[in-house]
Parts: sequence; C-alpha cells; structure tokens
Amino acid sequence: DAGVIQSPRHEVTEMGQEVTLRCKPISGHDYLFWYRQTMMRGLELLIYFNNNVPIDDSGMPEDRFSAKMPNASFSTLKIQPSEPRDSAVYFCASSFGDRGVNEQFFGPGTRLTVL
Amino acid sequence: AQTVTQSQPEMSVQEAETVTLSCTYDTSESDYYLFWYKQPPSRQMILVIRQEAYKQQNATENRFSVNFQKAAKSFSLKISDSQLGDAAMYFCAYFDGSNYQLIWGAGTKLIIKP
Repeated sequence: DAGVIQSPRHEVTEMGQEVTLRCKPISGHDYLFWYRQTMMRGLELLIYFNNNVPIDDSGMPEDRFSAKMPNASFSTLKIQPSEPRDSAVYFCASSFGDRGVNEQFFGPGTRLTVL
Repeated sequence: AQTVTQSQPEMSVQEAETVTLSCTYDTSESDYYLFWYKQPPSRQMILVIRQEAYKQQNATENRFSVNFQKAAKSFSLKISDSQLGDAAMYFCAYFDGSNYQLIWGAGTKLIIKP
C-alpha cells in the first residue's frame, strides 16, 4: 500500500483565497483524522471521520474551515477565505478498527503558507 | 480532562549512547493506550512504540523501549545505541477512549551528536 497520500505537499496562497487540501487514506481504514501543526500550538486535531461520517469537529477553528469525506477513499479540508494565521502544516491520518485506538498512519503533510 | 506533558523541549545524546525521553499524563481512566511517535525533518509522523495500560510488561521494539509506571502516570521512552537517524521530534500521545482522540504532548527534539 502507498500509505496515506496528501496533496499538494506545499501550497502558497494569498489571503482571502480558497484553499483545498486533499487526502487519500489507506485502503480499508475506517477512521480519518485531520490535524494542524504549528510551532505555537503543536499538533491539534481538527476533525475526524468514522466510516465517512464526521464524528467530532470541535477542533475546527472557525466557520472558514470545512471538511468532507464523500467516500472511503477521499477527504478534503477546505479553508475559505484563508488568512495568514492559517499557515501551518496540515496532516491527514487514518486508522482501522477498534474505535480508532489502533496506530494512526500519517500522510506526509501539506505545508500551507498564506501571504 | 486528560493531558500529556513532555517536560524536555530538547535533549542531546552522543551517538551509540542511551537516552531517555520523559512523558507524564493525567487521566482518571484505568484502561487506555499510550504511544510514542517520531517526526524526523521529513515531517512524516511515524509510530515508534505503543503500550496498553492493562499490560504490566513494558513494550519493546528493537532499540526502543518504554518504562511504563501506571501509578505514577509516567511513560518514558528509552533509546539504546542511539543512531544519527534517530534525530527527530518525539511526541508522546495518550488515547482518550471517551472521545476516541489522541491527546498529544508538546514534543521533545532529540539531537544526536556524532
């Protein structure tokens, strides 16, 4: 398996633009997580899905952020409009079974820079 | 609420020596899971080792082992025979079964001196 795939790896955009981050989880995994990593706040869970259904989005910073999982092999995290404080590395991770207690496999991350 | 504390922002060790990274956590649960993840400069988060709280035996994976002290709520990572490739950020994480989320520590940057 290729592991968790994220695209793009790097994104540079201007304030006010819409940004869409993409994730393909490992085949067969039923949990998908979106994280944000910054120097100031460390790793933050934004939202997670179980069987394509959003379970907890309490970590989503504000209404500008939205996430979808239309099927078991694809998820998106959208920021509209983007702001400089959204600059961070965004990780997608997936795991399978047992309520998500198993190892989370991380993608390589997307480094987002908002100018 | 559960919390995870890594009190060492940075550690350094000579190549081939042994180093221990500290992690403490706070929980009222009796059954839970603990993890150590490694994040090298490539940014990829990689699982190093996993411990189930109901198991008294400390987990071991090759050169990596943990010292799990349940009563003290301590979960330290020992790296033996340190190698240059071990240089990375190391994150301790606690699995919160009440909402199925990982609670992360702030991380420890490990530097390996050749």
